[in-house]
Amino acid sequence: EPEVTQTPSHQVTQMGQEVILRCVPISNHLYFYWYRQILGQKVEFLVSFYNNEISEKSEIFDDQFSVERPDGSNFTLKIRSTKLEDSAMYFCASSVVGGSSTDTQYFGPGTRLTVL
Amino acid sequence: AQSVAQPEDQVNVAEGNPLTVKCTYSVSGNPYLFWYVQYPNRGLQFLLKYITGDNLVKGSYGFEAEFNKSQTSFHLKKPSALVSDSALYFCAVRDKGNNNDMRFGAGTRLTVKP
Repeated sequence: EPEVTQTPSHQVTQMGQEVILRCVPISNHLYFYWYRQILGQKVEFLVSFYNNEISEKSEIFDDQFSVERPDGSNFTLKIRSTKLEDSAMYFCASSVVGGSSTDTQYFGPGTRLTVL
Repeated sequence: AQSVAQPEDQVNVAEGNPLTVKCTYSVSGNPYLFWYVQYPNRGLQFLLKYITGDNLVKGSYGFEAEFNKSQTSFHLKKPSALVSDSALYFCAVRDKGNNNDMRFGAGTRLTVKP
């Protein structure tokens, strides 16, 4: 069964450094998402992406964050200058048909980001 | 804005007994409700969803959930729990008017003891 994959599984970085988290969505999916889960807290929506542009973003997704689909398979989340509070598990997800509230989002295994 | 609540942080059941993981929701319109499970060091796995139609939805691994509009609930159930069902369970909701933003509950840790 096709799966969403994410690399790396764990990223450790120094505060102020840039990080790029990578995701390979399921191949025939059109909508892509990033969520994060701070340890012990809820899974929170960050951003959705369709047709090479952001379709929706939350208040968490500020100017420090950016997303990109640099080629036909990867979907990346960049954090420009990491802060301690960016430490969290970051989940990528994808769905077949975007723009539908009924569509199922399939999640990757996550990247644990630790900012020191 | 839509939201879900999972009132129990932890649910413990004995293997073979029925299990229920509770979820209540709040939306302005028609809710689209989802259950996901998270095993240790794994991502969120889709279990089932309610969009419309029959209030009892059947999903993966023998799980089912019942949509109750009057009680604004979408409890996850399984008739006979397995030790391997032990995991973190998340309820999520999307509002019909909000295409992409899925709101998750805080999660309920299910422990099934042999």
